[in-house]
Amino acid sequence: KNEVEQSPQNLTAQEGEFITINCSYSVGISALHWLQQHPGGGIVSLFMLSSGKKKHGRLIATINIQEKHSSLHITASHPRDSAVYICAVLSGGGADGLTFGKGTHLIIQP
Amino acid sequence: DAGITQSPRHKVTETGTPVTLRCHQTENHRYMYWYRQDPGHGLRLIHYSYGVKDTDKGEVSDGYSVSRSKTEDFLLTLESATSSQTSVYFCAISEWGQGARNTIYFGEGSWLTVV
Repeated sequence: KNEVEQSPQNLTAQEGEFITINCSYSVGISALHWLQQHPGGGIVSLFMLSSGKKKHGRLIATINIQEKHSSLHITASHPRDSAVYICAVLSGGGADGLTFGKGTHLIIQP
Repeated sequence: DAGITQSPRHKVTETGTPVTLRCHQTENHRYMYWYRQDPGHGLRLIHYSYGVKDTDKGEVSDGYSVSRSKTEDFLLTLESATSSQTSVYFCAISEWGQGARNTIYFGEGSWLTVV
């Protein structure tokens, strides 16, 4: 069973700061997802990575397959970025879905 | 947005009563999942389905059963609800494998309180 660890668990920052959230996993994967969950809200997939780096607006996600590690970066953070960010990995054929980290609770203060 | 809906969205029920949550999709995705989300645990898999009438247990399946009689519907049943089953329940759909988008879509969640 893949073990997924995220750090930090909680992060409070000021508006405009550069944010980094880290994710490590124990077993080789076929893909890694970064998910976002706003308070009381649903869960949306931000990125799906199998190698390299992806960018969407102010969000950047990277993955190092050899080191079993991924990072999610937020540039010029804004209060609307406040949410829980969840790392999830897909192993094997995927029938039993993703294995999730416990999430990073991010608060961006104005 | 992917076509996935959960019902009911909120429910309060008494201990010992049966409860059924419904997940409905319009995307024709093969895989469907039921997760529960609890503080300190993150999302945990209850049951999943890889086709009509094809289901399997996840890591926290005790006290839950599922059925999938049509591609679009995946039902989660608590046969006799207990307070430990108070949680937020998320349904998800996906397609995995070669040629697939390898992405996942979640429903908006069902808040269940067992009193």
